[in-house]
Amino acid sequence: DSGVTQTPKHLITATGQRVTLRCSPRSGDLSVYWYQQSLDQGLQFLIQYYNGEERAKGNILERFSAQQFPDLHSELNLSSLELGDSALYFCASSENFNRGYTFGSGTRLTVV
Amino acid sequence: DAKTTQPPSMDCAEGRAANLPCNHSTISGNEYVYWYRQIHSQGPQYIIHGLKNNETNEMASLIITEDRKSSTLILPHATLRDTAVYYCIVRGQGAQKLVFGQGTRLTINP
Repeated sequence: DSGVTQTPKHLITATGQRVTLRCSPRSGDLSVYWYQQSLDQGLQFLIQYYNGEERAKGNILERFSAQQFPDLHSELNLSSLELGDSALYFCASSENFNRGYTFGSGTRLTVV
Repeated sequence: DAKTTQPPSMDCAEGRAANLPCNHSTISGNEYVYWYRQIHSQGPQYIIHGLKNNETNEMASLIITEDRKSSTLILPHATLRDTAVYYCIVRGQGAQKLVFGQGTRLTINP
């Protein structure tokens, strides 16, 4: 157990639907990062939050959004889902910018 | 962040040292070298990081050349459970994100 909790572990949904992925960072970590891993694209950085504020954005689609709440947990919202959004979505947290990240076990999203 | 180059795949015998190379010839003075690994579809796991000095922890050793243009991750006594994709990443101090490349797929053979 890495200390980063992601729920749900698996999610199957239909095209056009909206889903919310949840991440609880390791205790004391203020930064949360979201990554997408699909078969043909490797690990792609989506977005980072630090203590509730957005700090960096990667190739995140406009259909996707995220936020970090006062208790530091984060949610990634994916809407108007397409087949190509099927992937593993990982959340990671870190204590500060120069420390290593701790990743969760991911949410496997399947869009049918 | 500087780009890194790693061999796509490597094999190593169980019990031997696994030496994974990484080239980062455009690294700048304030950029760190990080190593992560990903076992099957699990979340990536932090291994080690360094700036210019060699580093060692309970998992591995990191050897950085004097000119900092390349580094080697050493797993001293590889086991079957070390079979994974290993990522070498260069990241500036205070930079907001880690950028993962394709990594090296290391296979430990019995």
